[in-house]
Amino acid sequence: QQQVKQSPQSLIVQKGGISIINCAYENTAFDYFPWYQQFPGKGPALLIAIRPDVSEKKEGRFTISFNKSAKQFSLHIMDSQPGDSATYFCAASISGATNKLIFGTGTLLAVQP
Amino acid sequence: KAGVTQTPRYLIKTRGQQVTLSCSPISGHRSVSWYQQTPGQGLQFLFEYFSETQRNKGNFPGRFSGRQFSNSRSEMNVSTLELGDSALYLCASSPGQTFSGELFFGEGSRLTVL
Repeated sequence: QQQVKQSPQSLIVQKGGISIINCAYENTAFDYFPWYQQFPGKGPALLIAIRPDVSEKKEGRFTISFNKSAKQFSLHIMDSQPGDSATYFCAASISGATNKLIFGTGTLLAVQP
Repeated sequence: KAGVTQTPRYLIKTRGQQVTLSCSPISGHRSVSWYQQTPGQGLQFLFEYFSETQRNKGNFPGRFSGRQFSNSRSEMNVSTLELGDSALYLCASSPGQTFSGELFFGEGSRLTVL
């Protein structure tokens, strides 16, 4: 119940295309869903996050779509650029007196020029 | 403002040895968490410390332990190393007692067990 399932494992997109990464969860107590971006040799960094009271959140070219009834959420990267090539992790947590995040297994995105 | 600093960045150990990894959080951050990153497994939560107290622990064997000092710096220790312990160990800090919504990660300590 604590798992977050992420797909695909890897993704190749042409420059200017749309990258879509999907995640699913089981624990309905999760109330915070961030996406982290990790470049080689670096630690993950928060990209964008959403809470279940909204169905979509957009920041620049990055959009999270959230489907509470299906217990799924996804990251859309519009107009994908070679600089977006990185590993993306979805995560989930329960608000409260803890900073514990449950991460998905990651998606390696390669944007070809 | 300096970021999260982890030392050492790379280390090689042999089976049966033990290792200690160090993490200095962002100045003012009092919560420190540790994660293990391996290919195919993603990031798996090890434990979290706040004000020198462990307040959450992941599903790892007792060989994995940690502590936090009064200056918020943290160490994790792995005893009796196994080949499967080879991984990138990431430390993350966060400001306060309740979740702020963001973890700030260091660049990790890459452990290779031979």
